[in-house]
Amino acid sequence: GAVVSQHPSRVICKSGTSVKIECRSLDFQATTMFWYRQFPKQSLMLMATSNEGSKATYEQGVEKDKFLINHASLTLSTLTVTSAHPEDSSFYICSAWTHTGELFFGEGSRLTVL
Amino acid sequence: QKEVEQDPGPLSVPEGAIVSLNCTYSNSAFQYFMWYRQYSRKGPELLMYTYSSGNKEDGRFTAQVDKSSKYISLFIRDSQPSDSATYLCAMNAGNMLTFGGGTRLMVKP
Repeated sequence: GAVVSQHPSRVICKSGTSVKIECRSLDFQATTMFWYRQFPKQSLMLMATSNEGSKATYEQGVEKDKFLINHASLTLSTLTVTSAHPEDSSFYICSAWTHTGELFFGEGSRLTVL
Repeated sequence: QKEVEQDPGPLSVPEGAIVSLNCTYSNSAFQYFMWYRQYSRKGPELLMYTYSSGNKEDGRFTAQVDKSSKYISLFIRDSQPSDSATYLCAMNAGNMLTFGGGTRLMVKP
């Protein structure tokens, strides 16, 4: 089946640094990918919709200058958490639609900001 | 009122039991219905995907959709401890997906 891969699966960084998370569709092209944030024991919270070749669409309350999204190719979207702070520590997950209408998720990336 | 309602649980059952997980929704425009399983600290895994009313079976899993009642269910037969996870229903109209809050299931040996 279709696979969406995220990297890194876990990252620890110092406060004030920037962290990039990659989301790749491995065996299909994805014009649209989604980025979510999930806190412990809570459901997924959609952050933004990443569109290949154009600007991402951010959900209300999500700072676009804080969470930079780049969807430069049909198989890769990146989320950069800029000037990360401890409150940005969370589980970040991406997903992508296949041409058959199924939505697959990446394995998630756990960010810890010290 | 949320567009998709799902009981958060936790739902605790003995091994071998039949599990019924349910979601209700309010938006009649939803056309595609999915169930995901999420283990702790992992991304959601697509279990079932359907777009019509009725039942769809895959191994021990059966997805049921009743569009007239705006109600979907996931049944797990012969539940196993490895089924212990959070189950998320999701549905979409167009490109946007709306999730339920997830039900935490615990299957005890």
